[in-house]
Amino acid sequence: DVKVTQSSRYLVKRTGEKVFLECVQDMDHENMFWYRQDPGLGLRLIYFSYDVKMKEKGDIPEGYSVSREKKERFSLILESASTNQTSMYLCASRGAGSAYEQYFGPGTRLTVT
Amino acid sequence: AQSVSQHNHHVILSEAASLELGCNYSYGGTVNLFWYVQYPGQHLQLLLKYFSGDPLVKGIKGFEAEFIKSKFSFNLRKPSVQWSDTAEYFCAVRTPWAGNMLTFGGGTRLMVKP
Repeated sequence: DVKVTQSSRYLVKRTGEKVFLECVQDMDHENMFWYRQDPGLGLRLIYFSYDVKMKEKGDIPEGYSVSREKKERFSLILESASTNQTSMYLCASRGAGSAYEQYFGPGTRLTVT
Repeated sequence: AQSVSQHNHHVILSEAASLELGCNYSYGGTVNLFWYVQYPGQHLQLLLKYFSGDPLVKGIKGFEAEFIKSKFSFNLRKPSVQWSDTAEYFCAVRTPWAGNMLTFGGGTRLMVKP
């Protein structure tokens, strides 16, 4: 079974703080993704990575950056958290030959106060 | 840009009722289509997917979906829902130029009353 884990289920941060969200997958997948999930808006892609040190912007990259130094780990960084970044953040991974099916982590609910 | 619409945001059904959740997308060419489900407190998981061939796709837990190209639709169905089907359901589409990217709909929250 593919396992995607995220470092925290719940996180509370203050406005202006730098926030790191970590994601680890154990299936040697090339592709990893960060989404945010908001009611009524579904999942929106923030960034994805198709290889170590490679990244591509998704639909809503503003205010976020990412890091992929190792194949199994994909980090989402909020350089200066703002209240409009309060959301559920989902990480996903996909192998090169898995017909575009993505495997999701449990999510991190981030609250910025 | 590709868009995916799920017109029903909230659906409430009684057990044994039939279910149909709508999904429409905007791209007219070849697409790959997915339905994901998120049970309360759990991570998203794949229910079913369509790539080619038979437009009626069967997934896990008795769910099925029908791809109707002329209507740009991929509606999810289940003949008889159970309380355990209470969850949020997401339709997703991949277009050829999108590479790895999926575009998700806004989701439909289903509540099944026992």
